[in-house]
Amino acid sequence: DVKVTQSSRYLVKRTGEKVFLECVQDMDHENMFWYRQDPGLGLRLIYFSYDVKMKEKGDIPEGYSVSREKKERFSLILESASTNQTSMYLCASSLRGSLEHTEAFFGQGTRLTVV
Amino acid sequence: AQSVTQLDSHVSVSEGTPVLLRCNYSSSYSPSLFWYVQHPNKGLQLLLKYTSAATLVKGINGFEAEFKKSETSFHLTKPSAHMSDAAEYFCVVTQTGGYQKVTFGTGTKLQVIP
Repeated sequence: DVKVTQSSRYLVKRTGEKVFLECVQDMDHENMFWYRQDPGLGLRLIYFSYDVKMKEKGDIPEGYSVSREKKERFSLILESASTNQTSMYLCASSLRGSLEHTEAFFGQGTRLTVV
Repeated sequence: AQSVTQLDSHVSVSEGTPVLLRCNYSSSYSPSLFWYVQHPNKGLQLLLKYTSAATLVKGINGFEAEFKKSETSFHLTKPSAHMSDAAEYFCVVTQTGGYQKVTFGTGTKLQVIP
């Protein structure tokens, strides 16, 4: 089974702190994604990466950055946390296939509260 | 560009009655379509996915979805709701090829009344 593991289920951070959310997948997937999930807004894509050291902005990248130094690990960084970044963060991975309808596999999520 | 619209934010059905969760999509490329379910305090689980082999797709737990290109729809159905179906459901579109950007709908919360 594909496993996507997020390092923390719950985090509480203070405004202005630098926050790292880590995600690791064990299926050699090329694509990795970071989303945030907010009530009534569904899942919104923050950043995605299709290869090591490659990254693309999603729909709401402001206030975030990412790092992908190894294929299996994709980190989301909040440079200076703010209260409006309180949310559920979900990491996902998928195979990159030109002809295949491949689904994304998700981690359990990290609920971040910024106080 | 691609997008997905879930037409209902909340759906309420009685146990044993049919379920219909609506989804419309747009995509510049040949789309891949999925339904995911999220139970309270749980991660997202794949219910079913559309492949070009068949327009009627069967998934887990008795759910089905029909791909209708002419209507750009991918509605999720189940003949008879169970209490355990109460959850939030997300319709998802990705594009084949390239970066396979994944776009989610805003979700539909399904309530099942005993």
